[in-house]
Amino acid sequence: AQSVTQLDSQVPVFEEAPVELRCNYSSSVSVYLFWYVQYPNQGLQLLLKYLSGSTLVESINGFEAEFNKSQTSFHLRKPSVHISDTAEYFCAVSAVRNSGNTPLVFGKGTRLSVIA
Amino acid sequence: EAGVAQSPRYKIIEKRQSVAFWCNPISGHATLYWYQQILGQGPKLLIQFQNNGVVDDSQLPKDRFSAERLKGVDSTLKIQPAKLEDSAVYLCASSLDEMALMDTQYFGPGTRLTVL
Repeated sequence: AQSVTQLDSQVPVFEEAPVELRCNYSSSVSVYLFWYVQYPNQGLQLLLKYLSGSTLVESINGFEAEFNKSQTSFHLRKPSVHISDTAEYFCAVSAVRNSGNTPLVFGKGTRLSVIA
Repeated sequence: EAGVAQSPRYKIIEKRQSVAFWCNPISGHATLYWYQQILGQGPKLLIQFQNNGVVDDSQLPKDRFSAERLKGVDSTLKIQPAKLEDSAVYLCASSLDEMALMDTQYFGPGTRLTVL
């Protein structure tokens, strides 16, 4: 079974400052890794994912995350945040299989609040 | 492209009553998921369908919860009878290709259930 730990439940940060949201996972098998974002009163949206290849993955709005197998981590970073980045961020993991989609196991979420 | 639709958006019931939620996935998506998100926690998978067959329902409390996916399209999730601890947001998600490796899961806006 897989599990995800998001160490920070809330992260306040000033606008244009850098931010890191931490995610660690546990699994006995290889995994895929995801970050989802939930803006106020909206559904979950995929932000970025790591399936294979380069361990550094990027989103279209400036976020990036790096898969670190030795530290079992997939931390999310952004060098300069905007007010519009205020949201809840969920890290998720899924077991690797030979075929077919597997369900996601989510962390508890980190609420990012960007302060003007 | 229309997203995943869910109804109702909000529901308030008393304990021991019954309730049903409806989900219409994105057209053509083979895989459908129901997740339960309790306040302060990440979503937890209840059941996964591939077309109209159940792939994983290991975390579904089958004594009170049931789900079906009619003709491999729409799905309903039912709780009968409801308990206080069932208060949560119920999320429906879908993904496109049943044989692809980790297609993106697209989430609906959720149904917020309050059990009094």
